[in-house]
Amino acid sequence: DQQVKQNSPSLSVQEGRISILNCDYTNSMFDYFLWYKKYPAEGPTFLISISSIKDKNEDGRFTVFLNKSAKHLSLHIVPSQPGDSAVYFCAASDRGSTLGRLYFGRGTQLTVWP
Amino acid sequence: GAVVSQHPSRVICKSGTSVKIECRSLDFQATTMFWYRQFPKQSLMLMATSNEGSKATYEQGVEKDKFLINHASLTLSTLTVTSAHPEDSSFYICSALHPDEIKETQYFGPGTRLLVL
Repeated sequence: DQQVKQNSPSLSVQEGRISILNCDYTNSMFDYFLWYKKYPAEGPTFLISISSIKDKNEDGRFTVFLNKSAKHLSLHIVPSQPGDSAVYFCAASDRGSTLGRLYFGRGTQLTVWP
Repeated sequence: GAVVSQHPSRVICKSGTSVKIECRSLDFQATTMFWYRQFPKQSLMLMATSNEGSKATYEQGVEKDKFLINHASLTLSTLTVTSAHPEDSSFYICSALHPDEIKETQYFGPGTRLLVL
C-alpha cells in the first residue's frame, strides 16, 4: 500500500525553465514532508522539507508547496539547470509516530537538457 | 555535511551464502540507523530500524532471521543477508539520524548492490 505516490516516473525540462515535481499522499497523519535527490550509484541527499503548519518553504532555487486539503505537495525548481538531473524522491513522516520513520514515493527522474 | 558510508558498494555471491553489509556514520554518532531496500523503479522500502545497543525493529513482512541487523556501536550498523537467494538481489541503502538535527533528516549511504547467482 503506497502511502506516498509520485505518479510521474519522469520529467524532461529545458535548462532555464521551471521544473515541477508532484507528490500525493494518503495518510492524513503525515505532518512533515521532505524531498530527496539521488544521483546514480549514490544515496539520496536531503534537499528541502516542509512542516504541515506551512504551505510553502523556499530555499534558493527550490520551493516546496503543500496543499493539505488535497494531500498534495510539489517541488518547484527555477531556473532548472543540467546539474539538477537526478531522481527526486518525495517522503513523508508522522512526527508523532516512530522516530524518524519516513515513507517514500517511487521517485521522478528529472532530466534538464541544454 | 554528515557522511554515511557503506561497504561493500557491490557484491556478487552464490545462492546459499551469507553477505554482510556495513553502514558507518563517519563524522557523527548515530543511535538510530535505518535499512532500506530498493527494487528497480520502486520506492525505498524500509526494512528495519536499527537502534544502538538494542534489538532492531523490523517492518511487517521482513524476516528478522534472514536479515540480521547488528548496531554494536554508535557509528556502525551491519546487515547480514543469511542464506541469500536470487530474489534477495536488490539495492540496499542505509541511513542514519544525526543527533543534532531534526529527527526526520536522514543521511543516506551510497547503497550496496547485491546480486545473488
